[in-house]
Amino acid sequence: ETGVTQSPTHLIKTRGQQVTLRCSSQSGHNTVSWYQQALGQGPQFIFQYYREEENGRGNFPPRFSGLQFPNYSSELNVNALELDDSALYLCASSSGGLAGGRETQYFGPGTRLLVL
Amino acid sequence: AQSVTQLDSQVPVFEEAPVELRCNYSSSVSVYLFWYVQYPNQGLQLLLKYLSGSTLVKGINGFEAEFNKSQTSFHLRKPSVHISDTAEYFCAVSTNQAGTALIFGKGTTLSVSS
Repeated sequence: ETGVTQSPTHLIKTRGQQVTLRCSSQSGHNTVSWYQQALGQGPQFIFQYYREEENGRGNFPPRFSGLQFPNYSSELNVNALELDDSALYLCASSSGGLAGGRETQYFGPGTRLLVL
Repeated sequence: AQSVTQLDSQVPVFEEAPVELRCNYSSSVSVYLFWYVQYPNQGLQLLLKYLSGSTLVKGINGFEAEFNKSQTSFHLRKPSVHISDTAEYFCAVSTNQAGTALIFGKGTTLSVSS
């Protein structure tokens, strides 16, 4: 079991609403990445935060935004929810930003979001 | 840009049989290669990774993978599977050794039956 935790575990929202998902990094890690995993698909990289700044982003619209706090925990915010946003959202923590290091990143258990 | 293709969406095998899960990748820059496993209703766990050196990489739970640069492949193998290996397996690439900003394949469902 990794030291990465996510909350909540499950969430139901309606179309048009906003949602905030939370992630606590493993101790000593200063980098958090977020992924979206639709049903039956591989995870897709949303963005990454390193020392409180976004330093890498995948092909996701601006209504997906995030924050990283001084203790390196992180939030993923999604505005104007759409039905296709229903997915498992995974966060992963590591150290070294986009340049990375030899230490592997660790994934949390995910938050399952259902948009009705 | 990078992409990952997992050639089999489902692989059914009997317990104690060998298995190979196939992965091909495409990239215009050097990448590092990873295999992850996802058990039902859980997050991702790293099985193994190729960073450099020997092209045969050994991982956890008896899995190994071979990096083939000329064929741009990174196939995962296990000589004898157990029921507990039933899970979803993902091949992924990253431009850094820590494996952040991963590009994943669509996954292969390994079903082991007795």
